Amino acid sequence: GENVEQHPSTLSVQEGDSAVIKCTYSDSASNYFPWYKQELGKRPQLIIDIRSNVGEKKDQRIAVTLNKTAKHFSLHITETQPEDSAVYFCAAREYGQNFVFGPGTRLSVLP
Amino acid sequence: DGGITQSPKYLFRKEGQNVTLSCEQNLNHDAMYWYRQDPGQGLRLIYYSQIVNDFQKGDIAEGYSVSREKKESFPLTVTSAQKNPTAFYLCASSIGTEETQYFGPGTRLLVL
Repeated sequence: GENVEQHPSTLSVQEGDSAVIKCTYSDSASNYFPWYKQELGKRPQLIIDIRSNVGEKKDQRIAVTLNKTAKHFSLHITETQPEDSAVYFCAAREYGQNFVFGPGTRLSVLP
Repeated sequence: DGGITQSPKYLFRKEGQNVTLSCEQNLNHDAMYWYRQDPGQGLRLIYYSQIVNDFQKGDIAEGYSVSREKKESFPLTVTSAQKNPTAFYLCASSIGTEETQYFGPGTRLLVL
């Protein structure tokens, strides 16, 4: 079955710097890759997603890139702000299967 | 995701007791899911339902049970057979199983 690894487990950046979180997946048939942001004690919220027919997707300060050959996808946050501090989860899913989530990355944006 | 509600926010279980966590959605979504979240870990799937009156076991179904009698509701029962139930439980729903999942606010279960 699918296995998703996520790195780093914790990440601290200065306000205004960029942050990059990387996930690798094992099943080459996976075709949908969402990213969720979870603030302390709250629900995960979808922030961006990408499908396997696209290499990159942007939404303001957030972007996701997908490398199908290497089986990894990354979340890029530019011009980080303190409110970006949260745990970020990636996930992968093959058509007809359930999501498999990464273990999460705790991002701290230092003022 | 504001259309998914979970109750209670906190739940305390005594040893040997069954407890039920509520999940309701008014998004007209067909698929619903239950996940367990432990500190420092990702989400693990307990049960899911693609349609009313049908549900399937996820990766960690032992000690849990569900029902799906109505499209809007997918309650999870944590039975006494679940020996380590302390966790944050998240319910999610999606239009179909191929679509994005949206999460409820969660229930934190603690053992007395």
